[in-house]
Amino acid sequence: EVQLQQSGAELGKPGTSVKLSCKVSGYNIRNTYMHWVNQRPGKGLEWIGRIDPANGNTIYAEKFKSKATLTADTSSNTAYMQLSQLKSDDTAIYFCAMGGRGFAYWGQGTLVTVSS
Amino acid sequence: DIQMTQSPASLSASLGETVTIECRASEDIYSNLAWYQQKPGNSPQLLIYDANSLADGVPSRFSGSGSGTQYSLKINSLQSEDVASYFCQQYNNYPYTFGAGTKLELK
Repeated sequence: EVQLQQSGAELGKPGTSVKLSCKVSGYNIRNTYMHWVNQRPGKGLEWIGRIDPANGNTIYAEKFKSKATLTADTSSNTAYMQLSQLKSDDTAIYFCAMGGRGFAYWGQGTLVTVSS
Repeated sequence: DIQMTQSPASLSASLGETVTIECRASEDIYSNLAWYQQKPGNSPQLLIYDANSLADGVPSRFSGSGSGTQYSLKINSLQSEDVASYFCQQYNNYPYTFGAGTKLELK
């Protein structure tokens, strides 16, 4: 059974960074792309970017190019996303997801709250 | 970027009714479209991929159709557990983009 287990909720101060993790079990992440999606409170879904864990290649949505940094550790089968220069409007739930055609597998989400 | 225009934003329907949600892409996405269901507090769940293929474990009352720029999700014989928000997503081009969502409630 494929499972994506995300790290716990984060409280970050404005201007700081947080690093979220997404540990995959039941599937080798070398064989897929890992995507990240956010959802602001009461809002819709927004695609942030994806990483190819096999070679580290990344693609980002334009608005996240200076906000998010995606990495992956194939030895631990874990994907990471660092969010930098946190602002109040970065407050959201962040999901990792994977799947070839549509995202068949999702993590449970990590709530990031930005507050001083 | 490809814009996904989803309608309606909200929908109220009775048990047993058939409901349809539409999604229009700003350019041809060649059926590279998925539909998701999201219940409050949960992650999205894949319902349909490639515009009309049912994901594993999804009840057959859900179906997808469309091509080019116009797509739809149909739910036959609405059940209480179908109360949720629904999102379309194109994966034809990066950046992948989602529709704004449809909130489905019971009448």
